[in-house]
Amino acid sequence: AQSVTQLGSHVSVSEGALVLLRCNYSSSVPPYLFWYVQYPNQGLQLLLKYTTGATLVKGINGFEAEFKKSETSFHLTKPSAHMSDAAEYFCAVSGTSTSYGKLTFGQGTILTVHP
Amino acid sequence: DGGITQSPKYLFRKEGQNVTLSCEQNLNHDAMYWYRQDPGQGLRLIYYSQIVNDFQKGDIAEGYSVSREKKESFPLTVTSAQKNPTAFYLCASSILVRETTGYTFGSGTRLTVV
Repeated sequence: AQSVTQLGSHVSVSEGALVLLRCNYSSSVPPYLFWYVQYPNQGLQLLLKYTTGATLVKGINGFEAEFKKSETSFHLTKPSAHMSDAAEYFCAVSGTSTSYGKLTFGQGTILTVHP
Repeated sequence: DGGITQSPKYLFRKEGQNVTLSCEQNLNHDAMYWYRQDPGQGLRLIYYSQIVNDFQKGDIAEGYSVSREKKESFPLTVTSAQKNPTAFYLCASSILVRETTGYTFGSGTRLTVV
C-alpha cells in the first residue's frame, strides 16, 4: 500500500519569498508522484508529475519538485511567491500494480501569501 | 476539447431528499472516482469504478450510491441516509495504466442541505 504525508496543513509566506511545500510518500513499487493545486470552489489542476527519468520536474506557474528516492520525498518549490499562488496544494502517489492509475492523496497544504 | 463535466455547480437539498450529482467525461478514461471534500479533511474517496457496470466502495460510501452504465458517465446519488451531506463533491477520471497521467478533475458540485 502507498501513503502520502504532507508536512504542515498551513504554510504562510510573504510575496517574493521562497515557497516550500513538503511531501513524503511510501510505496511498495517505484512511485509516480503528482502535485495538484486547488483554488477556492474549483476542481484540482495538475501542477506537475514525476514518472521516470529526470528527478527535477518543472511544472506550470514556475513551480518545480524534486524526487529524492533516498528521502522518499517530493517537495514542491517556487523561488518567488506571487499573490496568485494562494491556494490549496495536494501531493499524490500512483497505485500499485493492482490499481494502476488510482491515486492516493495527501491531506493538503493551504498556502497563504502575504503582501 | 476533452474534459470532465460536473453538474450542477450548486445544489440545495431538503432534509430527507435524495439528490443526484452528474459527472460526464469525454476523455475515454477507464476509471472514474467520486470524492468528498470538507474543510481541513482533504479528499475522501466515496466510490470508484474501473469498468462499466462495476464499482467499489471507497472510505466513506455509507449514504451514497453510484451507477456506471456507460463509460462516459458516473452519477452519484446522495441518499437521505447520509446524515451530513453538506460538502464539496469532486468527480475525477483516469486511465488505468502504469504510465498514468494522473487524474482529470471536474470543477465540483457544492451541495447544501437547507
